[in-house]
Amino acid sequence: EAGVAQSPRYKIIEKRQSVAFWCNPISGHATLYWYQQILGQGPKLLIQFQNNGVVDDSQLPKDRFSAERLKGVDSTLKIQPAKLEDSAVYLCASSNQYAGDLHNEQFFGPGTRLTVL
Amino acid sequence: QKEVEQNSGPLSVPEGAIASLNCTYSDRGSQSFFWYRQYSGKSPELIMFIYSNGDKEDGRFTAQLNKASQYVSLLIRDSQPSDSATYLCAVRRGGSYIPTFGRGTSLIVHP
Repeated sequence: EAGVAQSPRYKIIEKRQSVAFWCNPISGHATLYWYQQILGQGPKLLIQFQNNGVVDDSQLPKDRFSAERLKGVDSTLKIQPAKLEDSAVYLCASSNQYAGDLHNEQFFGPGTRLTVL
Repeated sequence: QKEVEQNSGPLSVPEGAIASLNCTYSDRGSQSFFWYRQYSGKSPELIMFIYSNGDKEDGRFTAQLNKASQYVSLLIRDSQPSDSATYLCAVRRGGSYIPTFGRGTSLIVHP
């Protein structure tokens, strides 16, 4: 079974530029998550999709971050414009259980390491 | 106010010893508790999950939960150098979709 795929693996941009990340979840997984992990910290959930609908985006900085999952499979996360504090690893995860299940095992992709100069 | 607290470490133990990793949480409504392992430069992978008070064992790993004390721990028996990684505690309250992660504890198992 193929895992969660993400691209690019690394990205270096200057502040105020825009950037987009792509995620392809495990086949059949209805739930998709985007996390931000700043160095030395645990992952912080940005947005959660169930199929192509948003379950929770309360921690997404909507003035600069946007995400979509148009056909309920692949997803993109965009930052526009980027700030220095956006430097982090952006992790995508997927799950084949309903978001409200007590046990909801998430499988993480390799992440995209973003550096904003 | 941090919701999930972990000592960042590093925790250093000799090979073959028991490693004890601790996590406290502030939300009494928390119902699901997860331990993830994250190797340097890699993504987190789930090791254990626990919902009920008491112990849950899986191979060399034991998760312990005490909801009254708002405390969850992970014991690793017969520690191996390959166990050297950062261990993340994650907590989710009942009815919520959002897991909250601690900052992780770095474990070093030396030969």
